[in-house]
Amino acid sequence: RKEVEQDPGPFNVPEGATVAFNCTYSNSASQSFFWYRQDCRKEPKLLMSVYSSGNEDGRFTAQLNRASQYISLLIRDSKLSDSATYLCVVNPSGAGSYQLTFGKGTKLSVIP
Amino acid sequence: DGGITQSPKYLFRKEGQNVTLSCEQNLNHDAMYWYRQDPGQGLRLIYYSQIVNDFQKGDIAEGYSVSREKKESFPLTVTSAQKNPTAFYLCASSMTSGGTSNNEQFFGPGTRLTVL
Repeated sequence: RKEVEQDPGPFNVPEGATVAFNCTYSNSASQSFFWYRQDCRKEPKLLMSVYSSGNEDGRFTAQLNRASQYISLLIRDSKLSDSATYLCVVNPSGAGSYQLTFGKGTKLSVIP
Repeated sequence: DGGITQSPKYLFRKEGQNVTLSCEQNLNHDAMYWYRQDPGQGLRLIYYSQIVNDFQKGDIAEGYSVSREKKESFPLTVTSAQKNPTAFYLCASSMTSGGTSNNEQFFGPGTRLTVL
């Protein structure tokens, strides 16, 4: 099983739609979880950290399920500007390690 | 403004030449990282450094070298031993304050290296 797995997509959704991405990770000792956004030919940028209790930032909601070892990202009321690749990122080694493992990303296209 | 800078943005190299990619940060971060990204692939870790004068190999260190003489700077040299160097190279940094588990990394704009 790969360390971090994501559905590569692409997800093509109309403006205003709700879309959800899932990501699974293999190391149950993982402590930190993030969603990054990467625009075409640009660097990844942190979208949000994922906390055990789940967290929301405007139209974006992230959830963590430790028992099933998956992370989700929900985007409500999709905008054209949400079109990007979304990277699921995990710290696989627990506290004290600063390395991150990146998924290959899920591509989202929001269509007018 | 605090941030990470990488230069150059685009770099062309002839086969057999070494080339050095620059990465500078003024975020006062202790840790710095180099990744490589190929089309349709995830980021792969080349080298990382948690403190000045110390660095560790990542998953794909062969054909690369780094130095960390200053906290702000972490240059990457792509040597002629790297068989397939054409890629998008990303530098990142993060805090390493004791005990934190929220060690999110912040990226520079990247350097696109093409071997001719």
